[in-house]
Amino acid sequence: DAKTTQPNSMESNEEEPVHLPCNHSTISGTDYIHWYRQLPSQGPEYVIHGLTSNVNNRMASLAIAEDRKSSTLILHRATLRDAAVYYCILLRREYGNKLVFGAGTILRVKS
Amino acid sequence: DTAVSQTPKYLVTQMGNDKSIKCEQNLGHDTMYWYKQDSKKFLKIMFSYNNKELIINETVPNRFSPKSPDKAHLNLHINSLELGDSAVYFCASSQLTKRNAEAFFGQGTRLTVV
Repeated sequence: DAKTTQPNSMESNEEEPVHLPCNHSTISGTDYIHWYRQLPSQGPEYVIHGLTSNVNNRMASLAIAEDRKSSTLILHRATLRDAAVYYCILLRREYGNKLVFGAGTILRVKS
Repeated sequence: DTAVSQTPKYLVTQMGNDKSIKCEQNLGHDTMYWYKQDSKKFLKIMFSYNNKELIINETVPNRFSPKSPDKAHLNLHINSLELGDSAVYFCASSQLTKRNAEAFFGQGTRLTVV
């Protein structure tokens, strides 16, 4: 299983941008970079994904390094509702699209 | 309409009992999964079915048996429950043929074995 490395925890102030880093130095050419988050007492929720180019959606932006060995999830304006565990995952279709979750980053948002 | 629904939400049972958790998805996806989240909060995949066929079977005790009567349902049956089976079990679904293949998760079933 392809491995990712994330900081254990991060803290942000409300209404400020948050940059959540992820290292994935063993990424292969066909791996997609997926981000999920898990709010307290809920199931994981898809946030965003990308392959090579930066991506934006209504929830967040994903910045992917040119060599694809790292990526950064960007929440443009953190709210209290964004407090969650954020998981960076490499997805391989040949493995049945199984998601291999690491420990993730606990994001705390201060008001 | 809930996309992926699990029942029950909470399940408390005694050691040695047999129990089932049901999962249904109304997204038309062809692949469903069971994940287990233990007390340390690590999420691990257990099984996956694609079009009713088992495609992922991680190292899980034989006491756990998934059953997929159709593409929209994946149930988890657990025999002879043990204390260590206490965890939150999440069902998920995705479309294997899609390139992005985002997964949708249910709200989880908290199983407590006493």
